[in-house]
Amino acid sequence: DGGITQSPKYLFRKEGQNVTLSCEQNLNHDAMYWYRQDPGQGLRLIYYSQIVNDFQKGDIAEGYSVSREKKESFPLTVTSAQKNPTAFYLCASSIVGAETTDTQYFGPGTRLTVL
Amino acid sequence: RKEVEQDPGPFNVPEGATVAFNCTYSNSASQSFFWYRQDCRKEPKLLMSVYSSGNEDGRFTAQLNRASQYISLLIRDSKLSDSATYLCVVNKISGTYKYIFGTGTRLKVLA
Repeated sequence: DGGITQSPKYLFRKEGQNVTLSCEQNLNHDAMYWYRQDPGQGLRLIYYSQIVNDFQKGDIAEGYSVSREKKESFPLTVTSAQKNPTAFYLCASSIVGAETTDTQYFGPGTRLTVL
Repeated sequence: RKEVEQDPGPFNVPEGATVAFNCTYSNSASQSFFWYRQDCRKEPKLLMSVYSSGNEDGRFTAQLNRASQYISLLIRDSKLSDSATYLCVVNKISGTYKYIFGTGTRLKVLA
């Protein structure tokens, strides 16, 4: 089955620890995205990547880092510098280049809780 | 003014009713528009893209009004299973691949 997988589904972190959230897709999409969703709020863009070995900051990149070494993978690291990391993290991917088919598809998300 | 605005609701409607949501956007250069559905504690799933000519998929109809900068979603013959939050999404500017999400409109269909 084609799709986007995220792991783990739930993650608990102690303050001061870095954690890495996994995102893998087998849709052959060039673009991948990380969003954060807080209760009652819309999705906010953390980072996005349109091509391997390249990525751009979104609106709330502080305290996060990413890498894009493979087309299929776009892991997100939540560092200790992120002051309020408890949230629902969503990874998405899309085709690049065709505006009429630039739909984003989402993974099931990771719920991160800082203890 | 927010880049994408939606009425948060909730819209409580009886089964079989017709309900409509609007979403306004501020960037006139926006090119692509979408409606997503998000169930509680789940990921958003594409409901439909919104084309300039409007489009229909079964009980769902989406319209785009570029002059007034809003998109709409009409749901006819509401089902209990339609209860969810509906997110309006706008591609910010052509080519940048940055999408702006509304905070969503919550719909509850009542038996």
